[in-house]
Amino acid sequence: NAGVMQNPRHLVRRRGQEARLRCSPMKGHSHVYWYRQLPEEGLKFMVYLQKENIIDESGMPKERFSAEFPKEGPSILRIQQVVRGDSAAYFCASSPGSTETNEKLFFGSGTQLSVL
Amino acid sequence: AQSVTQLGSHVSVSEGALVLLRCNYSSSVPPYLFWYVQYPNQGLQLLLKYTTGATLVKGINGFEAEFKKSETSFHLTKPSAHMSDAAEYFCAVSLGFQKLVFGTGTRLLVSP
Repeated sequence: NAGVMQNPRHLVRRRGQEARLRCSPMKGHSHVYWYRQLPEEGLKFMVYLQKENIIDESGMPKERFSAEFPKEGPSILRIQQVVRGDSAAYFCASSPGSTETNEKLFFGSGTQLSVL
Repeated sequence: AQSVTQLGSHVSVSEGALVLLRCNYSSSVPPYLFWYVQYPNQGLQLLLKYTTGATLVKGINGFEAEFKKSETSFHLTKPSAHMSDAAEYFCAVSLGFQKLVFGTGTRLLVSP
């Protein structure tokens, strides 16, 4: 029973390039969440998606960042025209459904984005 | 707004010694509180959580935490450290939905 799969584990981009981070939720999970951990900081909520719907994107930067969770395939976090400040660990989590207490929230191992 | 403070980015203990990882929270309403653990090259795993009811919460691997409202604390303890406990530990607070607010993490080092 595979867990939440994120790829790549490490991603290196030059300033101005695009970064695409992928997240495959656990089997049977229809809810995906993205968190970002900047150096020396805790994980910060970015966006919450269900299949084909963005439920809450209150933690997403207003520009350059977008997320999707299509009917088929993984969830994608896309960062356009990356800057050095985007360097961080990006974590994906999934759950089987809406849970009030997050007890069914499972995290992936994260993608470390480095912007040169 | 909720926030979490974890005191000490690194904690070192000897195998068999008491483990104490500190977490203080700030919340305008009764919070839900969590401890997650991250082993090297793995995702975060839920250790334990407090929602309502008993303030002493027992989790996996012998860990427990006590919710103390008067101290706004949710410290994580384990009576006897094991080498396999070496990992990074994150405290988190939530109003009950998917938006968890995490602390900066504490790396636990266990020496023989």
